[in-house]
Amino acid sequence: QKEVEQNSGPLSVPEGAIASLNCTYSDRGSQSFFWYRQYSGKSPELIMFIYSNGDKEDGRFTAQLNKASQYVSLLIRDSQPSDSATYLCAVKNTGFQKLVFGTGTRLLVSP
Amino acid sequence: GAVVSQHPSRVICKSGTSVKIECRSLDFQATTMFWYRQFPKQSLMLMATSNEGSKATYEQGVEKDKFLINHASLTLSTLTVTSAHPEDSSFYICSAEQGNQPQHFGDGTRLSIL
Repeated sequence: QKEVEQNSGPLSVPEGAIASLNCTYSDRGSQSFFWYRQYSGKSPELIMFIYSNGDKEDGRFTAQLNKASQYVSLLIRDSQPSDSATYLCAVKNTGFQKLVFGTGTRLLVSP
Repeated sequence: GAVVSQHPSRVICKSGTSVKIECRSLDFQATTMFWYRQFPKQSLMLMATSNEGSKATYEQGVEKDKFLINHASLTLSTLTVTSAHPEDSSFYICSAEQGNQPQHFGDGTRLSIL
């Protein structure tokens, strides 16, 4: 079982719709959760981070965390073609320095 | 926001050349820096974790004598790919963090060995 799992996609949504990206993790000691966006040929860019159960909103982005279910998600409201990218879920156990990344979900937003 | 600068952005050189890549945190002191490698259409692969003033911790399968990492200050880490060969061609990305804050990535270095 992979430590951090994401559906590779592509996830296709029309412009203006809500895109829902999901991630599950296996380490119950995980404390910090991150979503990065990576455009093709570019480096990852931090979108959201969440440490506590529940929802965290920032503009069009909402991160949701459920530690009991070991599940973290990212919602993108009013999706735009410029949101088309690969979204990487990353998890950190505070006992360790490194992030554990999922393989990413490719999102395609069609005009 | 946190800014991480990576230089150079692209390198093309002959086989056998050693290449140095710099990673700087511009507006914060990076207690830890990380070096990743990414091949086309593949996931990020962590190569090593570097704490200021101490030796880097390399991931399994990464040759420490091949990929030399120096983290001499809280704002600068360097990765030197020694005697590079075509199979070392890849996208190398550094990241930096301060304490428990999120990691921020540099723009990456695309290395092509002829």
